[in-house]
Amino acid sequence: KNQVEQSPQSLIILEGKNCTLQCNYTVSPFSNLRWYKQDTGRGPVSLTIMTFSENTKSNGRYTATLDADTKQSSLHITASQLSDSASYICVVSAPGGYNKLIFGAGTRLAVHP
Amino acid sequence: DTAVSQTPKYLVTQMGNDKSIKCEQNLGHDTMYWYKQDSKKFLKIMFSYNNKELIINETVPNRFSPKSPDKAHLNLHINSLELGDSAVYFCASSRTGTGNTGELFFGEGSRLTVL
Repeated sequence: KNQVEQSPQSLIILEGKNCTLQCNYTVSPFSNLRWYKQDTGRGPVSLTIMTFSENTKSNGRYTATLDADTKQSSLHITASQLSDSASYICVVSAPGGYNKLIFGAGTRLAVHP
Repeated sequence: DTAVSQTPKYLVTQMGNDKSIKCEQNLGHDTMYWYKQDSKKFLKIMFSYNNKELIINETVPNRFSPKSPDKAHLNLHINSLELGDSAVYFCASSRTGTGNTGELFFGEGSRLTVL
């Protein structure tokens, strides 16, 4: 069964600290993996996309890694800011038409001053 | 110049009523979706339309009826609302075909509260 599991479920860190969010998936075959950021009261917004052949990709202070062999991805946030407080959702895409997407439940990150 | 816009943003109604949520996208995408996000923040696909044709119809009560008058619009009508329908409903769009990377562009969500 295709599944995406994220950990931790929630996380509290102090402003300026780094953190890493995890995403494990059992989706096979695999097309790509995307991390979304969802601010409170807003819709999710894509942060990064990673395909099978990519190991790491950065978007500002966000760095995503992918290990397609172990089916694991991580999202590392450097020098966190208050505005990083949000839910981070891992979404894995299976090949095929019309976006066969499998969503994780998300990690809720709270950055405190 | 909002890319995906939904109305209304908030909707409070009584059980048994019928309500609609509207969605429009100006990105030129040909596929649109409705997602339901429950209290645990888990996003679940409900429906997807490609060029006005229904292509994904998950296990959703038939009280929910999507309508796509054209590829830029996807509306959701809900009959006989129940308490369990309370959730945030997100509209999204994406491009299909060559160059599709699967990125979804979401609206701001419509929070439905059934009393």
